[in-house]
Amino acid sequence: DAGVTQSPTHLIKTRGQHVTLRCSPISGHKSVSWYQQVLGQGPQFIFQYYEKEERGRGNFPDRFSARQFPNYSSELNVNALLLGDSALYLCASSPGGGIIYEQYFGPGTRLTVT
Amino acid sequence: DQQVKQNSPSLSVQEGRISILNCDYTNSMFDYFLWYKKYPAEGPTFLISISSIKDKNEDGRFTVFLNKSAKHLSLHIVPSQPGDSAVYFCAASPYAGNMLTFGGGTRLMVKP
Repeated sequence: DAGVTQSPTHLIKTRGQHVTLRCSPISGHKSVSWYQQVLGQGPQFIFQYYEKEERGRGNFPDRFSARQFPNYSSELNVNALLLGDSALYLCASSPGGGIIYEQYFGPGTRLTVT
Repeated sequence: DQQVKQNSPSLSVQEGRISILNCDYTNSMFDYFLWYKKYPAEGPTFLISISSIKDKNEDGRFTVFLNKSAKHLSLHIVPSQPGDSAVYFCAASPYAGNMLTFGGGTRLMVKP
């Protein structure tokens, strides 16, 4: 069975640009969460979507937005990129919306902002 | 303010010996704790979890201990194997929550 897939694998953008990252959850999973992992730190929660509704938002500016589609795939959008947005962006899917459901992580998208 | 801390950035142990990874938390609302393992170029994978109603949970070579009064948990790996070499993250959440708060990770190196 296919795991969580993310695209693209790597991305280089310039300050001020916009970026869209994509995530396809495991088949049958209805929840998608996004995390940002800066080098040398642990992942930090950005958003959770469950059944196409935002269920949680971490401490990130409004430049970060996301959505979930009817097929449960998800996009993370970041506007007006800053150098500090350079990080590994991880997507995790789970069958349900609560934390008691095991979250399965994708390999991540490495974003470099120059 | 780091609510979950892993104070040891790295740990090196000999194959066959015990690996002990530690994690401290400050948020009293956390009552569900997890450990994840991460290899390079892969996403974190779930290892083991424990809820606050327990003080120990075991799964094969992996055991997690929770000391609620000290707000401390630890992961024991016995015996350690070279394939265990990875970065280990502890994470926490309120049981009814929907987001994980991660520590900074500990890089474990198991030498043959």
